[in-house]
This record gives sequence, structure tokens and C-alpha cells, in this order.
Amino acid sequence: QSVLTQPPSASGTPGQRVTISCSGSSSNIGSNYVYWYQQLPGTAPKLLIYRNNQRPSGVPDRFSGSKSGTSASLAISGLRSEDEADYYCAAWDDSLSGMLVFGGGTKLTVL
Amino acid sequence: QITLKESGPTLVKPTQTLTLTCTFSGFSLSTSGVGVGWIRQPPGKALEWLALIYWNDDKRYSPSLKSRLTITKDTSKNQVVLTMTNMDPVDTATYYCAHSRGYYGMDVWGQGTTVTVSS
Repeated sequence: QSVLTQPPSASGTPGQRVTISCSGSSSNIGSNYVYWYQQLPGTAPKLLIYRNNQRPSGVPDRFSGSKSGTSASLAISGLRSEDEADYYCAAWDDSLSGMLVFGGGTKLTVL
Repeated sequence: QITLKESGPTLVKPTQTLTLTCTFSGFSLSTSGVGVGWIRQPPGKALEWLALIYWNDDKRYSPSLKSRLTITKDTSKNQVVLTMTNMDPVDTATYYCAHSRGYYGMDVWGQGTTVTVSS
């Protein structure tokens, strides 16, 4: 059972906007930055969003992150077939010896 | 350009100790704020953070696995080593190492190495 809670699946059609939620607590999302990772099939996770809403260079601006209280969300606009992947949220947790906690992952299907 | 690569055995027997090495380039683990961590992913399951070592030798472990894990660094060789004792079939997973830096979090990951625990 993951510390952060994500829906197991999400879907959308090309061009649509989809959002993926991530729920935590005051010791993780509530007091620390949120990160989002994209994992394409058979590959290592790739950092998509850091510091709640910042994109590393090379990540399209179709991807955006937000945080409010103890929840966060990832939005993908202009959905493309290559966005089909697993998405994970993460945050440092102050109550667990400063470890990084992950969500259970959301499998995004592009219909 | 930061790169990391994991290496170690692909198969270990139950009760054995696993030793994984992360060899990196493009940064120094003696630079303030920098760390290298380990994360694993059982087949078809979610990511699980294991441990992290910082430039100043500060070490953090997953509380649930702390008794079995040891993380060390060799700055001169640009390597970080993770040992996990008393391996069990449930430890079968792909193990990743990743660069960590301040609010960027774990921003660059290695390709991962698959470890199977079986007799």
C-alpha cells in the first residue's frame, strides 16, 4: 500500500486534457514539494515535474503540475498517443525518516 | 550530462546478500547538496524508495527496510553501493539508482538492473 494515493487508471482521447490526482498528508505533500514521474513501458522513470509545478528542460508545456494543501495533480493537455505511460507522484515525508514516498501509479491510456 | 548505471547480480538465492553498484558520471558526490539514491520496482508494481546518501555522508533509509540496507559511497570512483541482506523472493524487482539535488528531487535515473531472487 503506497503512502500517496493515485487513481489506478485514467484515459483520454487525442487532443483532450486529462488530470491525475495525488493525495497525501500533512507530513508529505502538505509540507514538501511534489514530483511527478513518467514511466514509458519498459523504461526507467523520467522526471516530469519538480517543485510542485516546474518542468525540467525538454518537458513539453502540455504537462503541468499543481498542489493545494495535501493534494496535488498532474494535467496533460493536447493528449498524444506517446503520452500513454504510467505516472507516479512523489514527495519527501518528514515523519518517515525523511524518505521519499511514492504514489501507486496511474496508468494513462490514450484511446 | 549526468548519467548513472546500475550493476550487480541478476540472480540471487534466498537468504543471500545482494550488492548493487551505481556508477555515475557528470557530477561529483562531494558537491554540496548532491545525493544518490536507490529505488526499486517489483514486476508490475509501483516504485519503492530504498535509501539515499548525501555528499556529506548523511544516509537515509526506508524505515521498513532499514535493518537490511547499507548504503555507502566511494567519491574517488564515482560509485555508490547498496547492500541488502537476507534476500527473499519478494525482493525480486528492477533496482534503479538516481541523482538527487535539492528541490529538483531525484531528477536523473539509471536504466535499472533486474534482480531475481530464487533458489
